[in-house]
Amino acid sequence: AQSVTQLGSHVSVSEGALVLLRCNYSSSVPPYLFWYVQYPNQGLQLLLKYTSAATLVKGINGFEAEFKKSETSFHLTKPSAHMSDAAEYFCAVSPAKANFGNEKLTFGTGTRLTIIP
Amino acid sequence: GAVVSQHPSWVICKSGTSVKIECRSLDFQATTMFWYRQFPKQSLMLMATSNEGSKATYEQGVEKDKFLINHASLTLSTLTVTSAHPEDSSFYICSARGAPGYFGPGTRLTVL
Repeated sequence: AQSVTQLGSHVSVSEGALVLLRCNYSSSVPPYLFWYVQYPNQGLQLLLKYTSAATLVKGINGFEAEFKKSETSFHLTKPSAHMSDAAEYFCAVSPAKANFGNEKLTFGTGTRLTIIP
Repeated sequence: GAVVSQHPSWVICKSGTSVKIECRSLDFQATTMFWYRQFPKQSLMLMATSNEGSKATYEQGVEKDKFLINHASLTLSTLTVTSAHPEDSSFYICSARGAPGYFGPGTRLTVL
């Protein structure tokens, strides 16, 4: 069984400030972890993914996340927020596989990020 | 890169009618596709796994007779919502196995 918990359904940060979106996971097997962004009425865009290689993962748009097994966390960060970062962010987990790992994804409840001008 | 498309992007139908949503892998073969639904302001929930040439696997609580899935080719899976009701109004999104992270753009279904 696997699950993810996203702490904070809404996060507001000022433009230029640090963005920190929290995600904790639970998995009975080694996990693959993903962060997605969703803009209104659009599908999901993959920001980054952890697939058991480097624990610090860099993604698109300046985002990065660090896999911490001891804390069962995969928090998403960005040093300096931009207005275009305002969106819904989802953390997701799937069981690690020998193939691409895009098995059944279990999503967190999402965090809406608001950027204050 | 790999792209997954969906058609239509939105649809409005009357209660009791059926609606078909297509999910296509544009430049790769997808033997397995996944269908998710997302209610307003909520997360995505996996509905079913679509397998090319065989029956779909449904998640617990998803009515297989209501949400018919057909995966007739390596690039196309369809989801048909039969006898749609207002409570079926949702955002339906597909993804393809073998293309990690690639989701379709979604289909918004509104049942009047």
